[in-house]
Amino acid sequence: NAGVMQNPRHLVRRRGQEARLRCSPMKGHSHVYWYRQLPEEGLKFMVYLQKENIIDESGMPKERFSAEFPKEGPSILRIQQVVRGDSAAYFCASSPRGRQDTSNQPQHFGDGTRLSIL
Amino acid sequence: AQKITQTQPGMFVQEKEAVTLDCTYDTSDQSYGLFWYKQPSSGEMIFLIYQGSYDEQNATEGRYSLNFQKARKSANLVISASQLGDSAMYFCAMREGGNYQLIWGAGTKLIIKP
Repeated sequence: NAGVMQNPRHLVRRRGQEARLRCSPMKGHSHVYWYRQLPEEGLKFMVYLQKENIIDESGMPKERFSAEFPKEGPSILRIQQVVRGDSAAYFCASSPRGRQDTSNQPQHFGDGTRLSIL
Repeated sequence: AQKITQTQPGMFVQEKEAVTLDCTYDTSDQSYGLFWYKQPSSGEMIFLIYQGSYDEQNATEGRYSLNFQKARKSANLVISASQLGDSAMYFCAMREGGNYQLIWGAGTKLIIKP
């Protein structure tokens, strides 16, 4: 499967625990985007990363949330001390190019991670 | 102000009929792209069709076509000969200029009746 791979598909955490969401982009893609989808809503941009660099994290909460895309391995979205309001679907997307891209490149999405906080 | 507006929260359509899902957008950029994605109940996000602001012809992909009216800032998705498997949430999204992030509408829930 050469698509965007996210795991786990479902993640359950208790309040105060940490959640780690993983994303492997499509082969040949070096740009990763994380989005959050609350129930009955569209997606909201969180963060854009290239290998080893955070390009734009303007959509990510300042506290408890962090993201990385190391030279080797998947991109990780990390949520510390989770609260009930963090319950959502978290989608990762990738594209071959980023800022210098023209508009017509679709972002290819993974199947998402559904995070539930007990 | 909403950048992407999908005014239909839900629609019921008879199988085999055509359906139009509305999308209006707001941008001051001359260069932008409009995307439609489908999200079935299983949750994945599936890219359907793209329309660029400079494209002179409406985009088509199989049973999907995009009715692009630039002056009215609308980019409606048309699904011809609907099938039961078309039942899903449909999202309109926009990328402005040289930006990378997609801006999303709230979605339309489409239910195809047998």
